[in-house]
Amino acid sequence: DGGITQSPKYLFRKEGQNVTLSCEQNLNHDAMYWYRQDPGQGLRLIYYSQIVNDFQKGDIAEGYSVSREKKESFPLTVTSAQKNPTAFYLCASRSTDTQYFGPGTRLTVL
Amino acid sequence: GQNIDQPTEMTATEGAIVQINCTYQTSGFNGLFWYQQHAGEAPTFLSYNVLDGLEEKGRFSSFLSRSKGYSYLLLKELQMKDSASYLCAVRQGNFNKFYFGSGTKLNVKP
Repeated sequence: DGGITQSPKYLFRKEGQNVTLSCEQNLNHDAMYWYRQDPGQGLRLIYYSQIVNDFQKGDIAEGYSVSREKKESFPLTVTSAQKNPTAFYLCASRSTDTQYFGPGTRLTVL
Repeated sequence: GQNIDQPTEMTATEGAIVQINCTYQTSGFNGLFWYQQHAGEAPTFLSYNVLDGLEEKGRFSSFLSRSKGYSYLLLKELQMKDSASYLCAVRQGNFNKFYFGSGTKLNVKP
């Protein structure tokens, strides 16, 4: 099956700990994106990558980091510097015209 | 910057027609997209417009007027399963960044 996978679906962490969210795609898409969604709000761009070994900050990159060592993978690390990390995190990849989303990871920091 | 506005919530009756509006102000406009998002799930792509006019896909149609910075999503023959949030998103320029509105929560009642 072709698609985008994110794991885990639910993640709990203690305050002050770094955590890495995985995103894998087998759609052969060059571009990948990370968004954050808070209750009742739209998606806000954290980081995006147009090609392997390259990525750019989005609108809310502070407290996050990414890597793009392989075309298929775009992991996001939520660091202890992120003040309000509890949110729904969505990964997407882009075909010629539009984005396709993974199922999301709901992160709760206790 | 980007400014995308949608109504927060709408209610309609099963079998009826509903129109969800979206207005935007953006630089480097390169397409307008509509996504459906059920509670707790990832957005799924519905339609997109790059040129002015109406795009029809079954029960869903989307319209764009670039000169007015305006789009709408039209849903016909509403079904209960159409109860969801509908996100309007603008793609910007050559970097293919997407900016999302806060979403319109549609409640379909019997």
